[in-house]
Amino acid sequence: EAGVTQFPSHSVIEKGQTVTLRCDPISGHDNLYWYRRVMGKEIKFLLHFVKESKQDESGMPNNRFLAERTGGTYSTLKVQPAELEDSGVYFCASSLRGTGINSPLHFGNGTRLTVT
Amino acid sequence: AQSVTQLGSHVSVSEGALVLLRCNYSSSVPPYLFWYVQYPNQGLQLLLKYTSAATLVKGINGFEAEFKKSETSFHLTKPSAHMSDAAEYFCAVSDRLTGGGNKLTFGTGTQLKVEL
Repeated sequence: EAGVTQFPSHSVIEKGQTVTLRCDPISGHDNLYWYRRVMGKEIKFLLHFVKESKQDESGMPNNRFLAERTGGTYSTLKVQPAELEDSGVYFCASSLRGTGINSPLHFGNGTRLTVT
Repeated sequence: AQSVTQLGSHVSVSEGALVLLRCNYSSSVPPYLFWYVQYPNQGLQLLLKYTSAATLVKGINGFEAEFKKSETSFHLTKPSAHMSDAAEYFCAVSDRLTGGGNKLTFGTGTQLKVEL
């Protein structure tokens, strides 16, 4: 079984530019999550998709961030325009079910975003 | 709101020594509790989870954690450290009232170094 795949693994952009991160969840996993870790701080929840619908986007920092999951398969997270404080590691995770303790999260390796 | 505090951002032990990584939580009701590990250049991997079935939880790679309600703690231990245990460890909670979903609140992480 292929794991959660994230592209790119690293991205360096200038302030004001646009970046799009991609996540391919495990096949069959309807639930997809984005998390972010800003340097040295805790990993924070951004949002949760169930298939193509946003179930919970309470963690999205502001309207410069746009997440989509067309067709309920892969997801993209676009940052436009990027600011310095957006630098960090963006993790994607998927699970078979969104609730219930027995449906664990499977994390991707993350995308390290550096905004200069 | 739930929160997690990990005491010690860096812990160093000798190979063969006891590993103790501390985690305290804050929650109005006993939450679900997790420990994740992140090896270099990899995603987060679930070590173990507490769901209330037993207060002493055994996980992978010889790790275990004990839930202590009176101390609001969920410390991670391993009797004998191995070089391969060097990684960053994250404690996390999720809200039991919402079904223990995968919207996790993480601690800031503890980097474990194992020395010869």
